[in-house]
Amino acid sequence: SQQGEEDPQALSIQEGENATMNCSYKTSINNLQWYRQNSGRGLVHLILIRSNEREKHSGRLRVTLDTSKKSSSLLITASRAADTASYFCAPVSGGDQKVTFGTGTKLQVIP
Amino acid sequence: ETGVTQSPTHLIKTRGQQVTLRCSSQSGHNTVSWYQQALGQGPQFIFQYYREEENGRGNFPPRFSGLQFPNYSSELNVNALELDDSALYLCASSVGSDRGGGQETQYFGPGTRLLVL
Repeated sequence: SQQGEEDPQALSIQEGENATMNCSYKTSINNLQWYRQNSGRGLVHLILIRSNEREKHSGRLRVTLDTSKKSSSLLITASRAADTASYFCAPVSGGDQKVTFGTGTKLQVIP
Repeated sequence: ETGVTQSPTHLIKTRGQQVTLRCSSQSGHNTVSWYQQALGQGPQFIFQYYREEENGRGNFPPRFSGLQFPNYSSELNVNALELDDSALYLCASSVGSDRGGGQETQYFGPGTRLLVL
């Protein structure tokens, strides 16, 4: 299994701005998952994108996947203070028996 | 709300003691994974249970052990607690398959915060 590397480690933006977080990984994947974690709470699944998909949307979230570059990005549009959280990507290879997390991107949205 | 519950929510123990944490998986899920998350870090995989059998283990010593019951709920047991075991313990349930193909979406509980003094 492998863990993703999120970039940047921390991001601070004003409410209403867009936030972009990136994830890189090393080996081929079956799917890549994004999760959000509010302080001290459990992780919440945001989006799962499969290796044959290039882009996926969910509300204000847009995830892209570039398998040739082994990278993914999460875009949050029109950010809100409630989006303040840590965001984790999890690249999953075929046959993986676990979902592995990196250290995440800590997003702060200032009202 | 994911439907995954964990108990207790908080726990204080002293070094050398033993602790049992519990997790009820979401209805229809047959796989439970346990994670340890230290402050400021990402969750670290401890182990996973699929249909009552251990199905993968991370880099944790044998004093971390677990069980999965026929209703797919699960326990995490930690013996001989150390100060470094202080962390948020998360469980996540999912739908596993004998066909493999990698893991699908994980549904997390709210966690148990353990403090070892």
